[in-house]
Amino acid sequence: GESVGLHLPTLSVQEGDNSIINCAYSNSASDYFIWYKQESGKGPQFIIDIRSNMDKRQGQRVTVLLNKTVKHLSLQIAATQPGDSAVYFCAERGTGFQKLVFGTGTRLLVSP
Amino acid sequence: KAGVTQTPRYLIKTRGQQVTLSCSPISGHRSVSWYQQTPGQGLQFLFEYFSETQRNKGNFPGRFSGRQFSNSRSEMNVSTLELGDSALYLCASSPKAGPSTDTQYFGPGTRLTVL
Repeated sequence: GESVGLHLPTLSVQEGDNSIINCAYSNSASDYFIWYKQESGKGPQFIIDIRSNMDKRQGQRVTVLLNKTVKHLSLQIAATQPGDSAVYFCAERGTGFQKLVFGTGTRLLVSP
Repeated sequence: KAGVTQTPRYLIKTRGQQVTLSCSPISGHRSVSWYQQTPGQGLQFLFEYFSETQRNKGNFPGRFSGRQFSNSRSEMNVSTLELGDSALYLCASSPKAGPSTDTQYFGPGTRLTVL
């Protein structure tokens, strides 16, 4: 379904903690998933992606986990830093020219 | 490599006017997608262009249109502006050059305010 961004859930963590941001996606046929970070006044910035033939992918300080059985996606950020404070969006898509469908977003607040 | 650029960054228009927004994709990227972002509706897909052809369209009225040029640059147009069109309009480009080359990279957006 379409994203509805009425109320952003917020995750507050301390600097140095690990953060886990969750996302439930809607379409079981989706085969491509992306996490974006959006800071105030900027466009979404690509963080990491994963295809449906994988269940885990790691980047620098970030890990994405995909559970297709329950249609759940998570983003783990290790050793969270104040610069990680932003809104995080998951997005799903099918093959070819299918549109990206964005989740509602989660606001991550990192305090020193 | 330069990122996606969008012009103008900020725009103020009045109801009934029309507006044209421009997007230059990352060099070598052939696909350009447009999104509308508002606090109430989040990120909503408008359309995607590839090789000058619209490949997909979101659920927006016909007042929203776009096009892509042979150099992959894209424009979107909104006619007869309404107050509800106030939003951040985001452009994203992707290579779409083969398998696993469809990651979309976003520009900074154009903030449109309709008075």
